[in-house]
Amino acid sequence: AQSVSQHNHHVILSEAASLELGCNYSYGGTVNLFWYVQYPGQHLQLLLKYFSGDPLVKGIKGFEAEFIKSKFSFNLRKPSVQWSDTAEYFCAVFGRGSARQLTFGSGTQLTVLP
Amino acid sequence: ETGVTQTPRHLVMGMTNKKSLKCEQHLGHNAMYWYKQSAKKPLELMFVYSLEERVENNSVPSRFSPECPNSSHLFLHLHTLQPEDSALYLCASSQEPAGGSGANVLTFGAGSRLTVL
Repeated sequence: AQSVSQHNHHVILSEAASLELGCNYSYGGTVNLFWYVQYPGQHLQLLLKYFSGDPLVKGIKGFEAEFIKSKFSFNLRKPSVQWSDTAEYFCAVFGRGSARQLTFGSGTQLTVLP
Repeated sequence: ETGVTQTPRHLVMGMTNKKSLKCEQHLGHNAMYWYKQSAKKPLELMFVYSLEERVENNSVPSRFSPECPNSSHLFLHLHTLQPEDSALYLCASSQEPAGGSGANVLTFGAGSRLTVL
């Protein structure tokens, strides 16, 4: 069975600090990878995704993520965070050829201090 | 609005009540999902209706019963729930490609916050 680990439950940063949120997964086959974001009081929405090709993918609002196959990782980065980035971030993995189920991590709450 | 509408947004029920959550998607997608979101836990997939096929998480208790009358509507029927079932229940939809290669970009609704007393 596939699983997703997000090691940081809560990250607190000041505005303009750089961000990196870790995501590791366990699945030996081909994967589709996602980061979703949930702003306070809002619905979950897609931040970025990786299906194939360039392992460095860019999403909305200046976020990017890098797929490192050898490390089974898909870390989320942003060079300079803003107060409006305060939200909960979820990594998700879809293992192709598996039970065709999207598996989510437990989420990382990011708080950006003004 | 995301194109996935969930009602009610909030529901309080006793353990002996029967209630239903409703989800409607206006995106023309062919797959719909129920997820349970509890604090500090990963989103838990409960049920999937995809390409007319139902897939379920075997750990979901029988007091939760899904119904998908067509590709646009999804219900979650609730019966004799327990306080630990209190959570945010999320509906999502996606467009599954033919052959099931699973692009699986989900569009979520705002959720139904359920409190079981």
